Amino acid sequence: AIRMTQSPSSFSASTGDRVTITCRASQGISSYLAWYQQKPGKAPKLLIYAASTLQSGVPSRFSGSGSGTDFTLTISCLQSEDFATYYCQQYYSYPRFTFGPGTKVDIK
Amino acid sequence: QVQLVQSGAEVKKPGASVKVSCKVSGYTLTELSMHWVRQAPGKGLEWMGGFDPEDGETIYAQKFQGRVTMTEDTSTDTAYMELSSLRSEDTAVYYCATGGGPIDYWGQGTLVTVSS
Repeated sequence: AIRMTQSPSSFSASTGDRVTITCRASQGISSYLAWYQQKPGKAPKLLIYAASTLQSGVPSRFSGSGSGTDFTLTISCLQSEDFATYYCQQYYSYPRFTFGPGTKVDIK
Repeated sequence: QVQLVQSGAEVKKPGASVKVSCKVSGYTLTELSMHWVRQAPGKGLEWMGGFDPEDGETIYAQKFQGRVTMTEDTSTDTAYMELSSLRSEDTAVYYCATGGGPIDYWGQGTLVTVSS
């Protein structure tokens, strides 16, 4: 089974910061990688798919990059509504999915 | 636009079973590949299983094999997830979710609490 790791597991940041979250797959997954944002008590929301394609309606301050085993999610200018937990997900082995353990971004 | 509306919270005793429903609107169930994902309190997302459109079968994560059954009623566009032999570690929010790889649509989640 493909395993996903994320780093860091959590960190504090300030509004306006540029933040980067890393996701690594245990084997190559090409670009079959999605990113989700989840806020407390809510279902996850799809932000990015195919490693770098922004889902419709998602602000352009979110961007994704990478292929193979190493991926990043970048938020160029952190807004108050971006404080949340972020998960990566591989769908290379679709219909079997694997999620990363999550990265919590909170207010410094 | 797909909407997924799940059944309400459940409280079950250890050893019991729970069946969660997920009503689809905006599309028919036959047009979608439905999956189930759970999230224990304070923990991450865990894929439980879902529909494989390649062979028309439902597949399950190895962890849940033998304990979970996912079914669909196409006459009512409702998907179901039944988990048996419940234990305290099964306390979680259970989501139905659909997408062709990335998951575009999620239900609102159903909290299942397992407690004696």
